[in-house]
This record gives sequence, structure tokens and C-alpha cells, in this order.
Amino acid sequence: EPEVTQTPSHQVTQMGQEVILRCVPISNHLYFYWYRQILGQKVEFLVSFYNNEISEKSEIFDDQFSVERPDGSNFTLKIRSTKLEDSAMYFCASPPPGGDEQFFGPGTRLTVL
Amino acid sequence: ELKVEQNPLFLSMQEGKNYTIYCNYSTTSDRLYWYRQDPGKSLESLFVLLSNGAVKQEGRLMASLDTKARLSTLHITAAVHDLSATYFCAVDPQSGSEKLVFGKGTKLTVNP
Repeated sequence: EPEVTQTPSHQVTQMGQEVILRCVPISNHLYFYWYRQILGQKVEFLVSFYNNEISEKSEIFDDQFSVERPDGSNFTLKIRSTKLEDSAMYFCASPPPGGDEQFFGPGTRLTVL
Repeated sequence: ELKVEQNPLFLSMQEGKNYTIYCNYSTTSDRLYWYRQDPGKSLESLFVLLSNGAVKQEGRLMASLDTKARLSTLHITAAVHDLSATYFCAVDPQSGSEKLVFGKGTKLTVNP
């Protein structure tokens, strides 16, 4: 069964550094999402991406964040200048075409020191 | 803005007992999801409920949706230790992008 994969599984960075989180969605999926989960808290929507552009973004998704699909397979989330409060699990998700379930990747744990 | 509320947030129960987790949401939607999350892990899809009156069952878990009451329930029958996890409900606010808005989760602990 196809899976959503994410790399790295854990990223440690210094405050102010740039990080790029990568997701490889299931190949025929069209919608892609990034969510984050601060430790012990609920899952929060960051951004949705369809047809190579952002379709919706949350208030959390400010100018420090960007997404792109540079090569038609990887789907990346970039944080330009990380802050301590960016420490969280970041999940990539996508539903199959015409389907209803959202499949979540294993997540990247980001730790900002 | 859609708000999703779950209760209880913490639930400790004994094996063999039954219990229900509730998920209320604030605006119209007919798409509701239940996920399970083990510590340090990702979200595992349990149920997708797409219409009023939908009921789905898998093993000891049964989920239902009442779109008029804006309420979904996750019923646990004869709990076993393996069901210990955090359970999240999530609602599609039907804003066009099919994003999900999550509740805070219910941390379930099943004691032997």
C-alpha cells in the first residue's frame, strides 16, 4: 500500500536558521497539506497546496513559511528563520483523488534550540 | 471560524468497560474524521463519516455522526489495554481546500 513519507524524521536547528522539511506524497494525489502539532497539543492546519499553488493557509503560516513542489514529487515546507516556538511535529498529508481519507506521513520532529 | 470540541480530554477506564467520547463542532459540515495517535507517532485514520446518521464500526470502536446536532461520538466497547492512545476528531469546514480542523484530542488510558 502506498505511503506518504517524510524526511528527516528529526531535525535539530539553532534559532534563526532555515530548515526545509520534505514530504513525498502518494504519486497520484493532487491535494497536499502541512499540519503541525506542538508537543501534547492538537494538530493545527498550516497550508493546503493544489495544482502547484497554495489554495488556503492559516494564520500560523506567515511570511517565514513557504511551500513548493520543486520537482513534481517532493513537497517541501521551508521555515526561513526558525523561532523557539516552531518546535513541533510537522505532518504532511494528502487524500487520494476523489477519495475522502487524508493519509498522514510519519512526521518530522523539529527542535529549535 | 469552525471550532471543534472534544470531551473528555482525559479518560481513564478499566478493561472491559464501555465509554463514549464526544465531538462537537460549531458550523455546518458533513465530513468528520476520527484518528488515533500513539505517543510520538503519526495519525492513523480510524473512521470517515460523510453523511448525517453515518455509523461505522471497527472492532471495539464505533463512530456515529449527527450533522443536525453537529455531534459525533466514538463509542468504546469492552475496552482493552491496546486501545490506550489519544483519539482526535477532525472536521472539514468545507472551505474548498478540504483542510481539517482538529479537536484537542482525548487521551485514553485503559487499565488492566
